[in-house]
Amino acid sequence: DAKTTQPPSMDCAEGRAANLPCNHSTISGNEYVYWYRQIHSQGPQYIIHGLKNNETNEMASLIITEDRKSSTLILPHATLRDTAVYYCIVPPTALIFGKGTTLSVSS
Amino acid sequence: EAQVTQNPRYLITVTGKKLTVTCSQNMNHEYMSWYRQDPGLGLRQIYYSMNVEVTDKGDVPEGYKVSRKEKRNFPLILESPSPNQTSLYFCASTRTSGRAGLNEQFFGPGTRLTVL
Repeated sequence: DAKTTQPPSMDCAEGRAANLPCNHSTISGNEYVYWYRQIHSQGPQYIIHGLKNNETNEMASLIITEDRKSSTLILPHATLRDTAVYYCIVPPTALIFGKGTTLSVSS
Repeated sequence: EAQVTQNPRYLITVTGKKLTVTCSQNMNHEYMSWYRQDPGLGLRQIYYSMNVEVTDKGDVPEGYKVSRKEKRNFPLILESPSPNQTSLYFCASTRTSGRAGLNEQFFGPGTRLTVL
């Protein structure tokens, strides 16, 4: 199973882009990368996922490197409500969440 | 509305008094799981179920039981709760695809359990 590595914390100014990195160097060819976030003690919420190509939805963009060993979640205009813990996971059937990255958005 | 519900949301109990936390999903998902979350430790999987009558241990199963008699329900049972089981518990239901690795989880609102 692919393991992911994320920085424990990041800061971002409100209105600026937040770029959250994730390393998944042991990912296999058919494993997707998923991003979730958890806002203070609520249940984690799905954000976006991808396999090879960059993806964008109404919440965020996901950039996956060509070798697929790392990815970056981009929140293009971070708001205070984006303050949360962000998890990057590469699920097999059993989904393993690590400690994620705590993003703090400040005004 | 697609959702995962948990009950109760908050519970304070005493050591040794059996309790059950219910979990129900309305998305017809086959895969469900339970997590606990403790400060500094992230989310850790307790048990999961790949389908009715199929359950398996996650990372931290000691002190817990589960059952999956029907697809929509996946209760978590603490036969003899202890203070170290004080935690925030999440139930999750997973949308799976035939393609390998395509899984999206839907989480319940959480149950905050305190064992005195």
